[in-house]
Amino acid sequence: KAGVTQTPRYLIKTRGQQVTLSCSPISGHRSVSWYQQTPGQGLQFLFEYFSETQRNKGNFPGRFSGRQFSNSRSEMNVSTLELGDSALYLCASSLALAGGPDTQYFGPGTRLTVL
Amino acid sequence: AQSVTQLDSHVSVSEGTPVLLRCNYSSSYSPSLFWYVQHPNKGLQLLLKYTSAATLVKGINGFEAEFKKSETSFHLTKPSAHMSDAAEYFCVVSDFAGNTGKLIFGQGTTLQVKP
Repeated sequence: KAGVTQTPRYLIKTRGQQVTLSCSPISGHRSVSWYQQTPGQGLQFLFEYFSETQRNKGNFPGRFSGRQFSNSRSEMNVSTLELGDSALYLCASSLALAGGPDTQYFGPGTRLTVL
Repeated sequence: AQSVTQLDSHVSVSEGTPVLLRCNYSSSYSPSLFWYVQHPNKGLQLLLKYTSAATLVKGINGFEAEFKKSETSFHLTKPSAHMSDAAEYFCVVSDFAGNTGKLIFGQGTTLQVKP
């Protein structure tokens, strides 16, 4: 089975621009979660999507948004980019079985640099 | 609220010697705990997970972890370090509340393996 894929792998943007990152989960996985990784803050949860609905959200400003499509693929969008948005953005997918937390499988990440 | 604390930000061992990476957790209910590894410029790979089935959990590449409720610890060990084990290791707790896919990460421990 193919793993979680993320595109693009690297991205350079300037302040004020917006960006869209894409994540394709493992086939059959219904839940997609997004995380931001920075040297200062470590790994922080952004949001989770399940069945095209945002099921949980981390403590990030409204500039960070996402969506999930009917095939479980997910995108996240960051508007009005700031220098502090420079980070590795990781996507993870899981089966989302009822009754307990699933193992999340991570993609390679998208490295976003904001100049 | 759940949290994890990794007690060492950096651990250095010689090849062939044992590895111990320490993690304490805080949880208001029976937690699901994970260890993930991240090699440079790579995504996160699951090493092992604890979900209350057995307190000693065996993972990939010879790693194992023991869940100790009385000490609220979930330390990661390996009998003999290999050069390829050099990486960043994350202790993770699942913020399970109604099937939400949110993981809470420790700050990470960098494992250095010397020849």
